[in-house]
Amino acid sequence: DIQMTQSPSSLSASVGDTVTITCRASQGISNYLAWFQQKPGKAPRLLIYAASTLQSGVPSRFSGSGSGTDFTLTISNLQPEDVATYSCQKYNSAPHTFGRGTKVEIK
Amino acid sequence: QVQLQESGPGLVKPSETLSLTCTVSGDSISSYFWSWIRQPAGKGLEWIGRVLAGGTTNYNPSLKSRVSMSVDTSKNQISLSLRSVTSADTAVYYCARAPLADIWGQGTLVAVSS
Repeated sequence: DIQMTQSPSSLSASVGDTVTITCRASQGISNYLAWFQQKPGKAPRLLIYAASTLQSGVPSRFSGSGSGTDFTLTISNLQPEDVATYSCQKYNSAPHTFGRGTKVEIK
Repeated sequence: QVQLQESGPGLVKPSETLSLTCTVSGDSISSYFWSWIRQPAGKGLEWIGRVLAGGTTNYNPSLKSRVSMSVDTSKNQISLSLRSVTSADTAVYYCARAPLADIWGQGTLVAVSS
């Protein structure tokens, strides 16, 4: 099975900063990669699919890139409401494995 | 507006079977795959598997020997069964619309304890 390695596991940044989270697949998955945001006690929320397509209603400060094995989620102009855990997921074929998550905090 | 609602016992005894239902409102379940995903407290998301209305299923290899999923189109419901549970199966269980997981239920906490 394809493994998804996400890094870092946590980060702390200031309001207005740009933060980058990476996700690496152990084999190529084309662009079948989604990013989720999860706040404490809530269900995950789809942010990006097809590696770079923004889900409806998601602020444009979120962006995704990559293809094959290496993917990136970028949050520009970090806002207090962006404090959450972010996870990647492959969905090209079963199993639809998740990365272990990145916890984003505000300094 | 599509909504998903998980339901089932919040407490299951070790070695017994965990059974959950996800009720879909606002859309027909016949058009999509539907996934089950779980999350132990303080840990990451784990994909359990997915089911299509026609009965096609795919399961996580790590759970495949204990899990089964089914669909009841008359009730617009998806079901999950996980056999021979242990404390490691204690988690919040979510259903979500697949493959993009663009819509999720609120989740239901299932504890495995005697």
